[in-house]
Amino acid sequence: QQPVQSPQAVILREGEDAVINCSSSKALYSVHWYRQKHGEAPVFLMILLKGGEQKGHDKISASFNEKKQQSSLYLTASQLSYSGTYFCGTWNNDMRFGAGTRLTVKP
Amino acid sequence: DGGITQSPKYLFRKEGQNVTLSCEQNLNHDAMYWYRQDPGQGLRLIYYSQIVNDFQKGDIAEGYSVSREKKESFPLTVTSAQKNPTAFYLCASSQGHYSNQPQHFGDGTRLSIL
Repeated sequence: QQPVQSPQAVILREGEDAVINCSSSKALYSVHWYRQKHGEAPVFLMILLKGGEQKGHDKISASFNEKKQQSSLYLTASQLSYSGTYFCGTWNNDMRFGAGTRLTVKP
Repeated sequence: DGGITQSPKYLFRKEGQNVTLSCEQNLNHDAMYWYRQDPGQGLRLIYYSQIVNDFQKGDIAEGYSVSREKKESFPLTVTSAQKNPTAFYLCASSQGHYSNQPQHFGDGTRLSIL
């Protein structure tokens, strides 16, 4: 079963923050986050494993609450290059991707 | 440079025709995957393979077939039984079929009906 992402779309001005949520009805071993630019391949951002860890990459970080089967991606001080569609992938014996959140950052 | 190569970039299928999408990787990865992406939607798993000569169906395997005769190659055939094949097809690979392994994607093949 595919995870549910919210919001479906968000528009930001440069420098603003955003949060993208991902939730699953199944117990999860890990959550993966990817970003896809229009017409291109998804690019891996980070993996969060069981243990409630939080990871960061530059100004993009994420958390994983395994008890709630939820993960959130935090984009801080957004840049134009952050625009794209963000997908979470949840792992329970194999990967299932959410429908994506389209993020647009405007100058 | 290591990576995943998908070909062709664009493909057109006639009614009743089978077409094969190529996926080759030189990352020495054991696991390979095929996803279908429809406009505005997420990726749906078609098939995956954990090792050579082994593969499993994903959520939407009907109308598709795969083979894994070599570690580096995982071609996908879209058969005439797939009535709505127009989509963006993505191939991915990972070091192993494990929860802690990221997937690396090719640039995709866009398939359309003539």
